[in-house]
Amino acid sequence: QLQLQESGPGLVKPSETLSLTCSVSGGSFSSNRAYWGWIRQPPGKGLQWIGSIFYGGSTYYNPSLKSRVTISVDTSKNQFSLKLSSVTSADTSVYYCAMSISGRIDFWGQGTLVTVSS
Amino acid sequence: NFMLTQPHSVSESPGKTVTISCTRSSGSIASNYVQWYQQRPGSSPTTMIYEDDQRPSGVPDRFSGSIDRSSNSASLTISGLKTEDEADYYCQSYDSSSWVFGGGTKLTVL
Repeated sequence: QLQLQESGPGLVKPSETLSLTCSVSGGSFSSNRAYWGWIRQPPGKGLQWIGSIFYGGSTYYNPSLKSRVTISVDTSKNQFSLKLSSVTSADTSVYYCAMSISGRIDFWGQGTLVTVSS
Repeated sequence: NFMLTQPHSVSESPGKTVTISCTRSSGSIASNYVQWYQQRPGSSPTTMIYEDDQRPSGVPDRFSGSIDRSSNSASLTISGLKTEDEADYYCQSYDSSSWVFGGGTKLTVL
């Protein structure tokens, strides 16, 4: 059973860059059909797709966040990462990493709360 | 890209049946499969329905999904409501490698 685990700072200052890593275990990270992505959920609100990276390295970003987002993958470590620049309080959310093969979200991480505050 | 619109909240009594809708703003609802996720407070979402109407193992058959081309919408129906079904429900689809979520529906079982 694939397991995903987010890690990174729980507090980020305004205007700085939020950086999170998702560690993947229990299965093949190198599936040539897998999309690895990030989803966030502001407190009390709904789910928002941030972006995804395909096994081959192609990236896809939510247009509303595209100018600030970078997703990358490190296959040697079975990890993929999220960087979100120039954060504001509106970026305070629970951030989930996730995996999808056929358009549905097959596996979710447990989520990590990131608060943007000085 | 398209949007998925859900009612903000629904409520129903235990034992009854409730249906949550998910309307696609553009393009056909049948173009890409729709999934439904249940999320309880403090937990990650879990899949209740995938590929429009398929139930993962372990999900009770009280949960069912469908699509309606005429209204360009998907629906999640929960029959025999139990208090444990009280949660937030999200529909999700995809397009051009983008994942699209509905705004979520809070189900209250009272």
